[in-house]
Amino acid sequence: TQLLEQSPQFLSIQEGENLTVYCNSSSVFSSLQWYRQEPGEGPVLLVTVVTGGEVKKLKRLTFQFGDARKDSSLHITAAQPGDTGLYLCAGGSNYKLTFGKGTLLTVNP
Amino acid sequence: NAGVTQTPKFRILKIGQSMTLQCTQDMNHNYMYWYRQDPGMGLKLIYYSVGAGITDKGEVPNGYNVSRSTTEDFPLRLELAAPSQTSVYFCASSPSGLGNEQFFGPGTRLTVL
Repeated sequence: TQLLEQSPQFLSIQEGENLTVYCNSSSVFSSLQWYRQEPGEGPVLLVTVVTGGEVKKLKRLTFQFGDARKDSSLHITAAQPGDTGLYLCAGGSNYKLTFGKGTLLTVNP
Repeated sequence: NAGVTQTPKFRILKIGQSMTLQCTQDMNHNYMYWYRQDPGMGLKLIYYSVGAGITDKGEVPNGYNVSRSTTEDFPLRLELAAPSQTSVYFCASSPSGLGNEQFFGPGTRLTVL
């Protein structure tokens, strides 16, 4: 069974601070996706990374895929209250996704 | 283009009752998935389908059944509901399974008492 460990599980910060969320596994994945989920809604894709060492930027969000394709990180610069939500990483293999337990981020104004 | 729709949004069942959670997508996606999300546990795959007429078990299939008679519909059947099936259920679809985005429905919140 492939497992994805996310850390931290909870994160509460002030507006303007920077943060990093980690996603680690002992398994190799063909792709790694990050989703954001808001209360009462389904997850929405933020980014997909497929190449070891790949870095993608989405405005204030920076995503990195580890060289061995086993881990990933999400860095948010100058967090805003609108960034509040549950951040889920998901490893892709064999047409399926394995999800981590998520990081619940709260950005206080 | 409605995307992925799920009905009902909420449901309360008594132990032993049965029900079907409906999922429909209008994006002509071949791949469809059912997940359950428990508090603090992320999403766990129940069943998935790679096309009409083809279904396969995911990580937690016990107590559930699915069918895929059309590309658009992927209903999830609960037989003999148990309190352990209290959860939020999400249906998702994808154009192809390999590295493609999964599009999620809004979820069904099910409580079994």
